[in-house]
Amino acid sequence: GAVVSQHPSRVICKSGTSVKIECRSLDFQATTMFWYRQFPKKSLMLMATSNEGSKATYEQGVEKDKFLINHASLTLSTLTVTSAHPEDSSFYICSARDMGYRDTEAFFGQGTRLTVV
Amino acid sequence: TQLLEQSPQFLSIQEGENLTVYCNSSSVFSSLQWYRQEPGEGPVLLVTVVTGGEVKKLKRLTFQFGDARKDSSLHITAAQPGDTGLYLCAGGKLQFGAGTQVVVTP
Repeated sequence: GAVVSQHPSRVICKSGTSVKIECRSLDFQATTMFWYRQFPKKSLMLMATSNEGSKATYEQGVEKDKFLINHASLTLSTLTVTSAHPEDSSFYICSARDMGYRDTEAFFGQGTRLTVV
Repeated sequence: TQLLEQSPQFLSIQEGENLTVYCNSSSVFSSLQWYRQEPGEGPVLLVTVVTGGEVKKLKRLTFQFGDARKDSSLHITAAQPGDTGLYLCAGGKLQFGAGTQVVVTP
């Protein structure tokens, strides 16, 4: 399957600072990438859909100004958690669709464990 | 929003036993995917089912898509400790079910 790389895998930041998470498709081009948040022992909650060259589409209840998404190229999308607070601590996962695969299949990054202290 | 419900939420079995995980919805899906996720990792795609009534096998894992394309099941034969993980079904706009945590003890 296609490979998606997410970086960093773990980050600890101070409250009030911003953190950027990168999601790269390594061997394919992804016009669409997805960002999820996952709480312990829970399923993935879709936060936003990132479209190359256009604005991201956010799910209801997700603050656009809090979670900035940029999808500047066909292989890279970034999620910036701005002015992070302890309640933003979570496991963030990205996924990307390979245009060569079926529409709804996606490949996931390794995830980023964010801890805000 | 197309809602996917998974059952059971948690399953603990002994090595060698069989298990079945279910994914149900009131909506029709053009396809459903099954993923397995291990702690601290992203989900890994196991299979995609597309055709109503379709059965796919992946070694000891058997996946079935309901005739009406509203539900799916995952059956594991002779489970092994390596099968331990969170099993997720997904469909539509990659909306996920709540997941089934499977623990296989030696």
